[in-house]
Order: sequence, then structure tokens, then C-alpha cells
Amino acid sequence: DIQMTQSPSSLSASVGDRVTITCRASPNMINFLNWYQKKPGKAPKVLISAATRLQPGVPSRFSASASGTDFTLTISSLQPEDFATYFCQQSFNTPYSFGQGTKLEIK
Amino acid sequence: QVQLVESGGGVVQPGGSLRLSCAASGFSFSDFGMHWVRQAPGKGLDWVAFIRSDETNTYYADSVWGRFTISRDNFKSTLYLQMSSLRVDDTAVYYCAKDDCSSTSCFLDHWGQGTLVTVSS
Repeated sequence: DIQMTQSPSSLSASVGDRVTITCRASPNMINFLNWYQKKPGKAPKVLISAATRLQPGVPSRFSASASGTDFTLTISSLQPEDFATYFCQQSFNTPYSFGQGTKLEIK
Repeated sequence: QVQLVESGGGVVQPGGSLRLSCAASGFSFSDFGMHWVRQAPGKGLDWVAFIRSDETNTYYADSVWGRFTISRDNFKSTLYLQMSSLRVDDTAVYYCAKDDCSSTSCFLDHWGQGTLVTVSS
């Protein structure tokens, strides 16, 4: 099974800050890596697919990169609606494992 | 637009059974694989099971293998999750999600709002 290690588990930041979340996969699953946003009481929402592909309707302040087994989600300028929990997920093989999540909180 | 509506959640005793349903609309249900994903209280997302569009193959997380069965009725555009031998640690909100898969990416592009399953004596 592919293991996903996501960091940090939590992050405090202010509106306007730039934040980065990292996910490491073991073993390599090419670029079958997705990022989701989850707010309490709401369904998860896909932000990024195929490691770097921004989904339609997702603001351009969200971006992602990939290097080998390391994947990064960046929010360039935090907005109030971005405070949520973020999960990476590999879709290279079943089980489609998720990272542990990063809870982004207002400082 | 795509809509996924889960139902069937509730309170069940350990060792009991429950069947969840997910009614789909707004897309050609029979053309897409479907997933179940859960989130226990205060925990992260946990992938549960997947079924291919034509029902030829099903896949499960180790934690539910042999206890849960994913199925679908393409005529009714409905996805199911039959859960048996339920344990306290199966308590979670269960989401159904539509698969979007190509040669270069696979992801869960639409999700339902979830149904809560509580396993408690």
C-alpha cells in the first residue's frame, strides 16, 4: 500500500499570508496526487488533480508542485474562506490513501 | 448539475448491520466508477471502497475488507454500501463520491453531503 505523509498537521496563519503544505508518498506514484479542502459540515472539494492541475472554479491563489515523491500545495495569499483542513490523496493504486490532513487556523 | 445524496445512516449496535444508499443524478451514472469515503469524528478522511462503472471490480480498504460490500444499480443510478459486523471505530460520516479517471489522473470530483453512522451500545 502507498503511504502518504502530510505535514504540518496544523498551521496558524493570518489573512494575506503565504502557506505551504507538503505531502510525501512512498513509494513513488508518479503524479496521481490530488489535493482536497474540507470544511466542517461540508463535503470535501477537490482543488488540484494530477499533482499540479487546478480544478475549474478554484481561485488562482492555489497552486501545487511535484518533485519525485514530494508534493506541495501553496496558497499565495490567504483569504478568510481558506481556513479549513487540507488533505492530499494518492490515486495511483487502491487503497486510495489520504494524508493525515493539515488544519489551517487563523492566527 | 451533479448531485449525490446519501441516506441510510443511523445508530446501530456493535456487530450490527446497516445499508447506505447514494442516489445520483445529473450525469450518466453507468459511465463512472464510484467511491465511499468516511470521516470519523475529529479524524481525517479515510477511503473505504470503490466500484467500477460496470461492476466488474470492487476494491476495499483493509479495515473493512470482508465486512463491507460496495454495489450499484445502474438502472436506478444508485450506489450502495452494505456494512456488517460493525465496530465502534466504524463510527463516521460516510460520503459517496464520483470518480473522474483518465490515463493521467484519477480523482473524486463530486461528493455527497454525507450520512452519519454511529456504532454504539
